[in-house]
Amino acid sequence: EVQLVESGGGLVKPGESLRLSCAASGFTFSSYRMNWVRQAPGKGLEWVSSITSSSHIYYADSVKGRFTISRDNAKNSLYLQMNSLRADDTAVYYCARDLPPYTYAYGDWGQGTLVTVSS
Amino acid sequence: SSELTQDPAVSVALGQTVRITCQGDSLRRYSATWYQQKPGQAPLLVIYGKNYRPSGIPDRFSGSTSGNTGSLTITGAQAEDEADYYCNSRDSSGNHVVFGGGTKLTVL
Repeated sequence: EVQLVESGGGLVKPGESLRLSCAASGFTFSSYRMNWVRQAPGKGLEWVSSITSSSHIYYADSVKGRFTISRDNAKNSLYLQMNSLRADDTAVYYCARDLPPYTYAYGDWGQGTLVTVSS
Repeated sequence: SSELTQDPAVSVALGQTVRITCQGDSLRRYSATWYQQKPGQAPLLVIYGKNYRPSGIPDRFSGSTSGNTGSLTITGAQAEDEADYYCNSRDSSGNHVVFGGGTKLTVL
């Protein structure tokens, strides 16, 4: 059974940093493109970043230069380093696995971790 | 702003058919993918590719993409289909992923 478990969310002040983790199990992690998607309270889904199995990386314009996605295949883990956080980064952050070869079809999601940016 | 446009809300009578649409230039090149999200839950993939359903998704859900419009059709809507529905695809550049703003489906 595929499992994705996010952690690392919390309350931070504007300008501070936070690192999210996603622990994966039940599949060959190294073979999959992994993604972060966020959802602000009461709002829609927003793609944040993706990292391919060969570590090609893509970011939404809204986070480029502030967020860094990475993966550790030995630990079956995905990460999102978030720097210079702003109030509009407040959201539930989901880790999602794509459904090859449909690289924007996210077949498995974690339960999400809430990031709140507030002074 | 999102490059995929969805109607904010749609309603359907119990047992009737409803179509939820998603418009965007990138859909001329990429098929729309559809997700269902219920309150407090993570999104659930319901349609991907040309018209594929993941295991466990009822066959009353179907999808299509034509021109710049993607459609999710629910044939014989059930009370449990009441949820928010989101489309996504790649953006026009092909490098990024975009989501529509979501459609709240009410089953009357």
